[in-house]
Amino acid sequence: DIQMTQSPSSLTASVGDRVTITCRASQDIYKSLAWYQQKPGKAPKFLLYGASRLGSGVPSRISGSGSGTDYTLTISSLQPEDSATYHCQQYDITPYSFGQGTKLEI
Amino acid sequence: QLQLQESGPGLVKPSETLSLTCTVSGDSITTSESYWGWIRQPPGKDLEWIGSIYYSGETYYNPSLKRRVTISVDTSNNQFSLTLSSVTAADTAIYYCASGGIYNWFDPWGQGTLVTVSS
Repeated sequence: DIQMTQSPSSLTASVGDRVTITCRASQDIYKSLAWYQQKPGKAPKFLLYGASRLGSGVPSRISGSGSGTDYTLTISSLQPEDSATYHCQQYDITPYSFGQGTKLEI
Repeated sequence: QLQLQESGPGLVKPSETLSLTCTVSGDSITTSESYWGWIRQPPGKDLEWIGSIYYSGETYYNPSLKRRVTISVDTSNNQFSLTLSSVTAADTAIYYCASGGIYNWFDPWGQGTLVTVSS
């Protein structure tokens, strides 16, 4: 099974800051990586796929990059509504697996 | 606009079977050529993929749950369902259904339903 490890587990930033969250896979996942945003009491919301391709309606200040085993999610110009937990997910090989989440506080 | 909604009992006794249904609106399960998935999240813990079903009925399960899981499609009602047998307290979680598209990234998700396993 592919293990997904996110870092940091939590971080605090200010409005206007730029933050980066890292997701590392235990083996090459060939950019088969998605990111989700989850707010308390809500279902995860899809952000991007293919490591860097934004979903419909996702603001352009959110971006993703990476290849092989290492991937990043960057949020520039943080807004109060970005406060949430962010999850990565590999969909290269079953069983599909998620990272443990990164809690972002603004 | 594609929407999904989970339904089913919120309380299941240990050793019994958990059964949930996901109703899809805004698209047809059989014509969308998509995967449809179940994911769960124990309170305060990580997301866990349970399994997915292709529109044609082909299923893929997480090996950690495979002995106990069945996912099926009800095309007449545009629904897909999850059954999990022999449940224990470790199966207490929020259960989400989601559209997996062609590649099994999940968008959108249902709102989720909390299932508690307790006597």
